[in-house]
Amino acid sequence: GENVEQHPSTLSVQEGDSAVIKCTYSDSASNYFPWYKQELGKRPQLIIDIRSNVGEKKDQRIAVTLNKTAKHFSLHITETQPEDSAVYFCAVLGWDSSYKLIFGSGTRLLVRP
Amino acid sequence: NAGVTQTPKFQVLKTGQSMTLQCAQDMNHNSMYWYRQDPGMGLRLIYYSASEGTTDKGEVPNGYNVSRLNKREFSLRLESAAPSQTSVYFCASSARTSGRAEETQYFGPGTRLLVL
Repeated sequence: GENVEQHPSTLSVQEGDSAVIKCTYSDSASNYFPWYKQELGKRPQLIIDIRSNVGEKKDQRIAVTLNKTAKHFSLHITETQPEDSAVYFCAVLGWDSSYKLIFGSGTRLLVRP
Repeated sequence: NAGVTQTPKFQVLKTGQSMTLQCAQDMNHNSMYWYRQDPGMGLRLIYYSASEGTTDKGEVPNGYNVSRLNKREFSLRLESAAPSQTSVYFCASSARTSGRAEETQYFGPGTRLLVL
């Protein structure tokens, strides 16, 4: 089955700096790659997603890039702010359309004021 | 719109006790999911229901059963709770229209379960 690895597990940056989180996946037929943000004690919420026919997508300070050949995708947060501090999860939807998302293990991002 | 709701918010069980976690959504979504979240392990799918009347196993179904009661409600049952089932449980739903699986999953607030 699909296997998703996420790195790093923790990331500490200075406010204003950029943060990058990377995920790799195993099934080359996977076609949908969302990112979720989970604040402490809260539910996961979708922040951005990308489909396999697109290489990059931006939404204000966040962007996601996809490299299908290398089977990895990354979340980029620019001009980080303290409110960006949270756990971020990548996920991959398998090709078999079973509607199952496989999540990475998460990255705890701390933005230092 | 309440979105996805879950009850209870918190529960303490003794080993061997049973309980049912309730989930409901008011977004007219077709698909519903149950996940568990353990520290350092992300979200793992327990069971899902692609549409009303169907349920399927996810990654970690052992020790759990589910019921898709109707389009709105999807319950998770622990028949004989074990300490290994101590976790935070999230329910989620997605629209999944026209066969497109890439629909956003909306999560409930979670149920924190402690099994002693």
